[in-house]
Amino acid sequence: KNQVEQSPQSLIILEGKNCTLQCNYTVSPFSNLRWYKQDTGRGPVSLTIMTFSENTKSNGRYTATLDADTKQSSLHITASQLSDSASYICVVSARNSGYALNFGKGTSLLVTP
Amino acid sequence: DTGVSQNPRHKITKRGQNVTFRCDPISEHNRLYWYRQTLGQGPEFLTYFQNEAQLEKSRLLSDRFSAERPKGSFSTLEIQRTEQGDSAMYLCASSSVGPPTLHFGNGTRLTVT
Repeated sequence: KNQVEQSPQSLIILEGKNCTLQCNYTVSPFSNLRWYKQDTGRGPVSLTIMTFSENTKSNGRYTATLDADTKQSSLHITASQLSDSASYICVVSARNSGYALNFGKGTSLLVTP
Repeated sequence: DTGVSQNPRHKITKRGQNVTFRCDPISEHNRLYWYRQTLGQGPEFLTYFQNEAQLEKSRLLSDRFSAERPKGSFSTLEIQRTEQGDSAMYLCASSSVGPPTLHFGNGTRLTVT
């Protein structure tokens, strides 16, 4: 069964600090992995997309890594800001699955002053 | 704003009433998706359209749920005889062809009292 597990479930950090969110998946055969940011009461917004051959991809202060061998991904946030407070959702696609996406439950991040 | 638009943003209804939500996708996107999201969970797939054709429906979509996309542009999601368990955020997303990067709307939050 295709599954996506994210950890931690929630995280509180001080403004300016760094943090790393984890995503483990069992989706096979792997096609790509996306990280989405979802602000409270809003729809998810794509941060990064990574394919099998990509190990690292950055988007501003967000850096995603992918280890396709261990089926793990991480999202590192550098110099956190209050506006980073949101839920971060890992989404994994299987090859030839068309529209079907496998969503994690998300990590809820709170950045405090 | 050329993003995905959903209306209404909020809907409060009494159990047993029918409700209808509307989604206007990004104009050049031919794929449209409906998801349901409850607190602390990732989005759950409900149904998928390619142009006007409804190609897939989740088992989550009971007979009380129906979705249409009559002209391959906007879509509606109707819930008949609402139940308290239907309370959730209903998200619409659209994408173009190829490995889909979903562009989400900000959702319709349904509360059934």
